[in-house]
Amino acid sequence: GDSVTQMEGPVTLSEEAFLTINCTYTATGYPSLFWYVQYPGEGLQLLLKATKADDKGSNKGFEATYRKETTSFHLEKGSVQVSDSAVYFCALSAPSNDYKLSFGAGTTVTVRA
Amino acid sequence: DSGVTQTPKHLITATGQRVTLRCSPRSGDLSVYWYQQSLDQGLQFLIQYYNGEERAKGNILERFSAQQFPDLHSELNLSSLELGDSALYFCASSVEPLRSAEAFFGQGTRLTVV
Repeated sequence: GDSVTQMEGPVTLSEEAFLTINCTYTATGYPSLFWYVQYPGEGLQLLLKATKADDKGSNKGFEATYRKETTSFHLEKGSVQVSDSAVYFCALSAPSNDYKLSFGAGTTVTVRA
Repeated sequence: DSGVTQTPKHLITATGQRVTLRCSPRSGDLSVYWYQQSLDQGLQFLIQYYNGEERAKGNILERFSAQQFPDLHSELNLSSLELGDSALYFCASSVEPLRSAEAFFGQGTRLTVV
């Protein structure tokens, strides 16, 4: 079935450091790919998405490019802030799975001042 | 604020008991999804309702059931609780049933079974 594998955490960075969280997927057909963020004590929020190959999703300084050839959707941010401390989830949805969201395990990111 | 309201925020109960978690979707959203987030299983889709009807089922145990009422709020009932049911339960809502990626999540109910 459809699944997502993302880099295990936790990840601890200093402010202004570069962040990368790896995500690869397995899916039948052409899924849509997403990154969700969960700030402490809150629900999940959609951070960015890409619906077809070579699309780049971006939001709040974060970017991820849908790479069909490597089945990847790595999340990157050039200069993180303390406020970026959160849990990040990679997810996919596909027509083969009735568009239900399949989530990765989540990566906890802590940014230190 | 996502507009999705979940109550209660925290719940502590004993094994063997039954609890009900409540979710009020965003105004105008017809579809409701329930997810379970636990340390060992990650984020798992449980069940989806659309306009009062069950739309899709995921990894939901037989001890669990859900429904969506005419006013579109939803309840997740968990019975014969076990220690392993301790988790964060999220509700999400969306306008359309086949667009779960556009769903908005509530803050969750943290269930602790002791």
